[in-house]
Amino acid sequence: EPEVTQTPSHQVTQMGQEVILRCVPISNHLYFYWYRQILGQKVEFLVSFYNNEISEKSEIFDDQFSVERPDGSNFTLKIRSTKLEDSAMYFCASTADSYEQYFGPGTRLTVT
Amino acid sequence: GESVGLHLPTLSVQEGDNSIINCAYSNSASDYFIWYKQESGKGPQFIIDIRSNMDKRQGQRVTVLLNKTVKHLSLQIAATQPGDSAVYFCAVSHSGGGADGLTFGKGTHLIIQP
Repeated sequence: EPEVTQTPSHQVTQMGQEVILRCVPISNHLYFYWYRQILGQKVEFLVSFYNNEISEKSEIFDDQFSVERPDGSNFTLKIRSTKLEDSAMYFCASTADSYEQYFGPGTRLTVT
Repeated sequence: GESVGLHLPTLSVQEGDNSIINCAYSNSASDYFIWYKQESGKGPQFIIDIRSNMDKRQGQRVTVLLNKTVKHLSLQIAATQPGDSAVYFCAVSHSGGGADGLTFGKGTHLIIQP
């Protein structure tokens, strides 16, 4: 069964550094998403991406964040200058033409 | 904006019993509702969904009920098993279609007692 994959599984970075989180969505899917989950809290929507552009973004997704689909398979989330409060699990999700979003296993980002 | 809440942060049930997990949402324009299961250290796993033109949908051992009048959603798990232990989230979409981000509730931790 196809699945969303994410790398790395755990990323440790120092405050102020740039990080890039990578995702490979399911191959025939058209819509891509990033969510985050701070430890012990609910999953929060960051951004959706369709047809090579951002479709929707939340208040969390400020100028420090950007997304890119650099080729036909990868979907990346970049945080330009990480802050301590960016520490969280980051989940990528994708969907075809349906509503059902399939989530990846997540990347744990630790900012020190 | 949308807010999604669950009534109970933790639910403890005996193995073999039925479980009911509840969720409330605020936006009457919400039209798509999903239940996800999240095991420790993993991403949310899709369980079942329902659209606003339905009030009940059944899957394997799971049933989702939607009451649009009171903006309430529930997940029923029949004959709970140890593998059902996880955190369960409801999620809501308010504009329909794949481009929309989901609004998640806070989650109910389902604990199965032997």
